[in-house]
Amino acid sequence: GAVVSQHPSRVICKSGTSVKIECRSLDFQATTMFWYRQFPKQSLMLMATSNEGSKATYEQGVEKDKFLINHASLTLSTLTVTSAHPEDSSFYICSARVTGGPPEQYFGPGTRLTVT
Amino acid sequence: AQRVTQPEKLLSVFKGAPVELKCNYSYSGSPELFWYVQYSRQRLQLLLRHISRESIKGFTADLNKGETSFHLKKPFAQEEDSAMYYCALSPLGGNEKLTFGTGTRLTIIP
Repeated sequence: GAVVSQHPSRVICKSGTSVKIECRSLDFQATTMFWYRQFPKQSLMLMATSNEGSKATYEQGVEKDKFLINHASLTLSTLTVTSAHPEDSSFYICSARVTGGPPEQYFGPGTRLTVT
Repeated sequence: AQRVTQPEKLLSVFKGAPVELKCNYSYSGSPELFWYVQYSRQRLQLLLRHISRESIKGFTADLNKGETSFHLKKPFAQEEDSAMYYCALSPLGGNEKLTFGTGTRLTIIP
């Protein structure tokens, strides 16, 4: 149980375009999901906390207009990287908490974004 | 602000030898501590959390509030323990936002 999927697993896009990444909790409801970014050989950096039915909470230094988060249902959160630039190339990982469950997070497999 | 420090980026241990991965934290309130593991080509997964006080795959970790540490230990390393290990902290009873350490890559030498 407690499986989180991400789609796509990897995507290549051109500079200036937007790309959407989906995060789904497959067998549980998740009021809260999290979006992380991981640079090569570095740790995970929390970008934002996604709350179902309300606005996401962004970490300091993360541009909310660039990284749009929508959490429209209890099983789906999306991250849209708008007007992508090469420096946005990274590994994006989402996680989810079971609604009403213990505080541990279940992680998705990640999405490799490459902006050319 | 909360912070998690894992002083060792790389750690190599012979099979059968004891393992200790260090984790220190700073947080003014009551923390909840976790160890997450990432095996090669797999997603990050929870290994253990201090509140459950359980042993998973032979690993244990004790929260030492005096030393603000949460070191991960295993008495006898196995080859399948080779992985990336992350220590993480969340405010107890808070919004469950996790702060990760930089990780330690553990390699078990056969």
